[in-house]
Amino acid sequence: DADVTQTPRNRITKTGKRIMLECSQTKGHDRMYWYRQDPGLGLQLIYYSFDVKDINKGEISDGYSVSRQAQAKFSLSLESAIPNQTALYFCATSEGQGRETQYFGPGTRLLVL
Amino acid sequence: GESVGLHLPTLSVQEGDNSIINCAYSNSASDYFIWYKQESGKGPQFIIDIRSNMDKRQGQRVTVLLNKTVKHLSLQIAATQPGDSAVYFCAENRRSNAGKSTFGDGTTLTVKP
Repeated sequence: DADVTQTPRNRITKTGKRIMLECSQTKGHDRMYWYRQDPGLGLQLIYYSFDVKDINKGEISDGYSVSRQAQAKFSLSLESAIPNQTALYFCATSEGQGRETQYFGPGTRLLVL
Repeated sequence: GESVGLHLPTLSVQEGDNSIINCAYSNSASDYFIWYKQESGKGPQFIIDIRSNMDKRQGQRVTVLLNKTVKHLSLQIAATQPGDSAVYFCAENRRSNAGKSTFGDGTTLTVKP
């Protein structure tokens, strides 16, 4: 089984709808991240969490919110989806404590019509 | 502002040749660098890392070189194979950024048979 899983893998929604993307990990890592990837571009950090009680904004947090329900679960919400939020979304984890290699989920492809 | 960038967005090589993918970074405080490989439809995966107290690190068919003087690192892939076709990202970390990674835009490597 994959260490980092994301659901759903694909989602089509309409402008104005609220949607939630979920991420679960079995690596036992404290740190979790949400990224957005647009075609031909790198990864932009949306939000990150270094433990269950810690939530931090990344570079592009506007229009997004997150919830860290447990060490293993970190969800991303789009409160009112808009077309320019169409992108590929990745969840990642890292161990921290100087070990910053990130382990990524398979991604969620989101289309906002 | 701070940035991490790759010199070329695309690279095409013949199977069996060596590949060199380059990356430049702007922050002299960066102290840890990671190369990731992203295959089509998947999340990025760790390839190799290097800390700033080193200038070279070797893995299986891959070598990372770090030149702190010119803030440049490279990923060398020996005897490139079709399975090496992917997008390659460099990422930099520094303690002052709480260990968060900054990713470059990626180089797409295509291996011709």
